[in-house]
Amino acid sequence: SAVISQKPSRDICQRGTSLTIQCQVDSQVTMMFWYRQQPGQSLTLIATANQGSEATYESGFVIDKFPISRPNLTFSTLTVSNMSPEDSSIYLCSGGTREGTEAFFGQGTRLTVV
Amino acid sequence: GENVEQHPSTLSVQEGDSAVIKCTYSDSASNYFPWYKQELGKRPQLIIDIRSNVGEKKDQRIAVTLNKTAKHFSLHITETQPEDSAVYFCAATSDYKLSFGAGTTVTVRA
Repeated sequence: SAVISQKPSRDICQRGTSLTIQCQVDSQVTMMFWYRQQPGQSLTLIATANQGSEATYESGFVIDKFPISRPNLTFSTLTVSNMSPEDSSIYLCSGGTREGTEAFFGQGTRLTVV
Repeated sequence: GENVEQHPSTLSVQEGDSAVIKCTYSDSASNYFPWYKQELGKRPQLIIDIRSNVGEKKDQRIAVTLNKTAKHFSLHITETQPEDSAVYFCAATSDYKLSFGAGTTVTVRA
């Protein structure tokens, strides 16, 4: 299975500030994604991180709120901007392939906004 | 986009009994169907998957079946053990993106 490392594992942030989450994957992965998982709920796709170009966002998520970078094949960042308590959630990065084969997850970032 | 429905939302079984979780999907183009197990506070872990050209796949006590015509797939866990207690998510791939079901909380009673 692919190795996916994500950091930080948790953070408590003040409202109005921003947090950047980092994700590093091994070379088996070609696709990278960012998900949000609210407590007790399923995983919701935020966006597909595209290497060297703008991310592809899902309905309900916008670049100004969740800017994403992917400067190379194996590294991506997600920023949660101008945070409010409603942004408190677990954010997960995942790696997969274009063929839709096995997708593996990072350990997640538990974000609390106070 | 793809819509995945999962049932039941909770499932309590006696240790040693079987557990079955069912999912339906909407996009007939979906061709990959993984199942994830998520323990409390941990990341989702891939436990088994099936592709659209296969009807059934088994790995020890876990099996998955797929009915493409009806657009549904199921997870079967036999001889359940306390360590099987977790939240299970089904998913379907459409246009290389995974869409997840709402999850099933499985509790195995000793």
